[in-house]
Amino acid sequence: EDQVTQSPEALRLQEGESSSLNCSYTVSGLRGLFWYRQDPGKGPEFLFTLYSAGEEKEKERLKATLTKKESFLHITAPKPEDSATYLCAVQALGTDKLIFGTGTRLQVFP
Amino acid sequence: DTGVSQDPRHKITKRGQNVTFRCDPISEHNRLYWYRQTLGQGPEFLTYFQNEAQLEKSRLLSDRFSAERPKGSFSTLEIQRTEQGDSAMYLCASSLVSGRAYEQYFGPGTRLTVT
Repeated sequence: EDQVTQSPEALRLQEGESSSLNCSYTVSGLRGLFWYRQDPGKGPEFLFTLYSAGEEKEKERLKATLTKKESFLHITAPKPEDSATYLCAVQALGTDKLIFGTGTRLQVFP
Repeated sequence: DTGVSQDPRHKITKRGQNVTFRCDPISEHNRLYWYRQTLGQGPEFLTYFQNEAQLEKSRLLSDRFSAERPKGSFSTLEIQRTEQGDSAMYLCASSLVSGRAYEQYFGPGTRLTVT
């Protein structure tokens, strides 16, 4: 069964303290791995798509990487406005549905 | 703003009542998706459409749930005889399938509370 596990469940960082979020996955055949950001009471906001092992994508303070079993979302010098829940999802070959993990709740305090 | 829109944003209903939600996708997108999210969980897939055709339905979509996309534009999700367990955020997303790109863009959601 296709599955996504994210860790840690929650992360508290001081402003400027870099860290990484983990997304481990099992999927029959990977079409793509997606990262989303979700603020409380809002819909998920698309961040990145990764398609194959070794691929990396960057956007401002965020960098996503992919291996055959996991993905990391690296946050460099975070700011309080980066506080949100970060969701990882996989999409298997032959289907459009996204299978999400439960997310990592990130808090960045000044 | 040309993002995905959902209506209503909040709905409170009594157990046993029927409710209907509407989703308007990004205009040029050909695929539309429905997900459900409960507190502390990631979104769970319900169903999706390619234009008017419903291509896939989750086992979560019981007989009380029905979704339509009659003209290949907006979509509706109806829940009949609501139960307290239906309380959740209902999310709609859309995508333009092109080459490898299957990114799904989400709307703000409809929060359903069943009392």
